[in-house]
Amino acid sequence: SQQGEEDPQALSIQEGENATMNCSYKTSINNLQWYRQNSGRGLVHLILIRSNEREKHSGRLRVTLDTSKKSSSLLITASRAADTASYFCATVVRGSTLGRLYFGRGTQLTVWP
Amino acid sequence: DTEVTQTPKHLVMGMTNKKSLKCEQHMGHRAMYWYKQKAKKPPELMFVYSYEKLSINESVPSRFSPECPNSSLLNLHLHALQPEDSALYLCASSQGLRQGPDQPQHFGDGTRLSIL
Repeated sequence: SQQGEEDPQALSIQEGENATMNCSYKTSINNLQWYRQNSGRGLVHLILIRSNEREKHSGRLRVTLDTSKKSSSLLITASRAADTASYFCATVVRGSTLGRLYFGRGTQLTVWP
Repeated sequence: DTEVTQTPKHLVMGMTNKKSLKCEQHMGHRAMYWYKQKAKKPPELMFVYSYEKLSINESVPSRFSPECPNSSLLNLHLHALQPEDSALYLCASSQGLRQGPDQPQHFGDGTRLSIL
């Protein structure tokens, strides 16, 4: 079963606006990762945040993690049409030795020029 | 361009055919994965290989048969598939499970499989 749930399922914004996606999960984790998938392509790793971290930045991406609420958010600032894609959160369960990722349902982001 | 290469990109096959999907990486990764992804859904894990040994089989039907001939290659042999097996099949790799859990997975662009 899926570990993560994301909302919104779909998000439509104009270029230049910020996009925020949320992810909730059920069990204790080692880390949480965000991936992007363009239509017809594979997933691309964006950012990994460990369970002892609260916030992480990478370029226009900002990820927060609240382990007490078992939730994370991904903020994309100053969005571009090229950011149009599906975004998935994925967790590695604490104590896992098998590298298994539990994916959320994903958020479909559309950025209009 | 991705560092994980999957071939073919598209495959159409009948239910009685036998075919294979191939995946190759040259990043020195020792963990490799097969996923199945239906439209507008997240990837579903099928198999995990760690150091060329099968470590996870997610109760996948026997008509899917994985093979890891060496640390760079991963195959998925297909036989007697059903129409519901039509999907995007993704391969991924990561450094290796002995390096700990904080590793991203690197995905190929997948093989889009259609079963007639």
